[in-house]
Amino acid sequence: AQKVTQAQTEISVVEKEDVTLDCVYETRDTTYYLFWYKQPPSGELVFLIRRNSFDEQNEISGRYSWNFQKSTSSFNFTITASQVVDSAVYFCALNFGNEKLTFGTGTRLTIIP
Amino acid sequence: IAGITQAPTSQILAAGRRMTLRCTQDMRHNAMYWYRQDLGLGLRLIHYSNTAGTTGKGEVPDGYSVSRANTDDFPLTLASAVPSQTSVYFCASRIAAGRDTQYFGPGTRLTVL
Repeated sequence: AQKVTQAQTEISVVEKEDVTLDCVYETRDTTYYLFWYKQPPSGELVFLIRRNSFDEQNEISGRYSWNFQKSTSSFNFTITASQVVDSAVYFCALNFGNEKLTFGTGTRLTIIP
Repeated sequence: IAGITQAPTSQILAAGRRMTLRCTQDMRHNAMYWYRQDLGLGLRLIHYSNTAGTTGKGEVPDGYSVSRANTDDFPLTLASAVPSQTSVYFCASRIAAGRDTQYFGPGTRLTVL
């Protein structure tokens, strides 16, 4: 069965600290895509990144970085030097070729000023 | 660029009433989706459409119906609303069915009393 687990329900860190959000997935497919979405307090879902199963290179975008490891079925997301605007719920999601985008239950990140 | 619009933004509905949530996209995406978001459960797929004229059932389709008369519009209908359908509903689209990124609308908050 395909499944995405975000074990961290809530995380709070002080501003400027680094924080890593964990995502572990299960799938029998060899070809799949992984995603991260951000849901700020305003409620919309904002796409952050997509990674396919054949590309294990880490990705860095400004203060955001992603570490994809097939050996551990993980796709973790790190925010460096966190800011208050990073406060949001973050979702990891998996697409394994059919119509369904399987979401984790989300991690609520609070950045304390 | 509007992207995906949803209407209404929020709605309070009496149980047993019929309700249609509207979704329109201007990106000429072929595939469209409806999800519901509930606390602790992440997002779950209700129905999808790979192209105009076709629809399919997702993970939680009971009590909902959809139609796809054209590329741009994908309305979701609750024939007889029940309190368990209280949720936030998101419409999404992507260029084509498969592994492309799904982009989400702003959501509709529905309360069924």
